[in-house]
Amino acid sequence: ETGVTQTPRHLVMGMTNKKSLKCEQHLGHNAMYWYKQSAKKPLELMFVYSLEERVENNSVPSRFSPECPNSSHLFLHLHTLQPEDSALYLCASSPGPVNTEAFFGQGTRLTVV
Amino acid sequence: AQSVAQPEDQVNVAEGNPLTVKCTYSVSGNPYLFWYVQYPNRGLQFLLKYITGDNLVKGSYGFEAEFNKSQTSFHLKKPSALVSDSALYFCAVRDRGSNSGYALNFGKGTSLLVTP
Repeated sequence: ETGVTQTPRHLVMGMTNKKSLKCEQHLGHNAMYWYKQSAKKPLELMFVYSLEERVENNSVPSRFSPECPNSSHLFLHLHTLQPEDSALYLCASSPGPVNTEAFFGQGTRLTVV
Repeated sequence: AQSVAQPEDQVNVAEGNPLTVKCTYSVSGNPYLFWYVQYPNRGLQFLLKYITGDNLVKGSYGFEAEFNKSQTSFHLKKPSALVSDSALYFCAVRDRGSNSGYALNFGKGTSLLVTP
């Protein structure tokens, strides 16, 4: 295991539901990330937090709302999603920026119906 | 701007043969380069990285990659492929001189299939 845990592993939700994805890292890292992985497309960076402050937000629709209450936990709150939002959502963490590799969780497979 | 290209959607190789998964990059300055592997229904696992120094980088599971600045490439290689190497491989880059942020830019991935 990588030390990054995501829950739930699978989630099916309706377009009017509200749900949250959770990520926890036990590595003492300072940076945490949300990525979206869709078939046949590059990984899309959604949000970056460093020391609990959001440092990047790559034009993500407002129906996705991140929260980082402390350096070990990261949430992605979901509401009124669309079917095209169905994807694998990956959380990652790294010791810091620049030349350090990221450690990924196993992902949450989200299906919007 | 920084970007990564993985020109092959799929690479097929017989077990025991050498394998190469191609990656080219584009950055305005000097790059940090990474390779990751993803097995079915799993997250990405780090394989190796180039930061500075020797152009040939050795990583996990017998993989290595060669940084070629003139060709802006960072191809992943292994001398003898195993069936268990079958997975999705991602190349990633970050411009070390960039203020574009913390995270890596990933390619779209290359599916490696090793047949017995």
